[in-house]
Amino acid sequence: QVQLVESGGGVVQPGGSLRLSCGTSGFAFSSYGIHWVRQAPGKGLEWVTYIRYDGSNKYYADSVRGRFTISRDNSDNTLYLQMISLRGEDTAVYYCARDRGGNYHGPDYWGQGTLVIVSS
Amino acid sequence: QSALTQEASVSGTVGQKVTLSCTGNSNNVGSYVVGWFQQISHGAPKTVMFGNSLPSGIPDRFSGSKSGTTASLTISGLQPEDEADYYCSTWDYSLSAWVFGGGTKLTVL
Repeated sequence: QVQLVESGGGVVQPGGSLRLSCGTSGFAFSSYGIHWVRQAPGKGLEWVTYIRYDGSNKYYADSVRGRFTISRDNSDNTLYLQMISLRGEDTAVYYCARDRGGNYHGPDYWGQGTLVIVSS
Repeated sequence: QSALTQEASVSGTVGQKVTLSCTGNSNNVGSYVVGWFQQISHGAPKTVMFGNSLPSGIPDRFSGSKSGTTASLTISGLQPEDEADYYCSTWDYSLSAWVFGGGTKLTVL
């Protein structure tokens, strides 16, 4: 079955860096785009970034552009999110989600999430 | 302020039909298929609808529709396990970004 498993979350000081990973299985990873979506404590879902199946196109939310970088390794079925210059407002659970593609470009399968806490 | 507008809360009794709405504009909801996501007790989101298509494993009491710039998720025959937060989302071509609604808290009385 389709599985996405996030890792790499933790506590980091403001201004620090962190790299999240999203390991996948159960589907042809190299054929699907992938999203990162986050949820701050007590808040709603916020889309963060997306990468096309072949890595050729990437999109970012204004709140993270220039600080976050999405990438993928299709040989290892893994997605990454490099985060730098972290701020308190980046504190959230980060989910990776597969993009369904076809006539609907949006998340279909989601991971369980990894918690990032930005605090001194 | 979310790009898509959803009711903050909706409630219904077991067996009732409820409809959640998601209002955007011609740059997003009016032009693209809308996804709906269920989140129970701040666990991982689950996709329950995209457009009017049911993902596998989602009961057919869930249905989706759209009229102009408003998308709707209808639950017919509400069940206690449907109590959750529901979010809508779609692509916005003017923003070159995916956008979410603020979420609707559905309470089953």
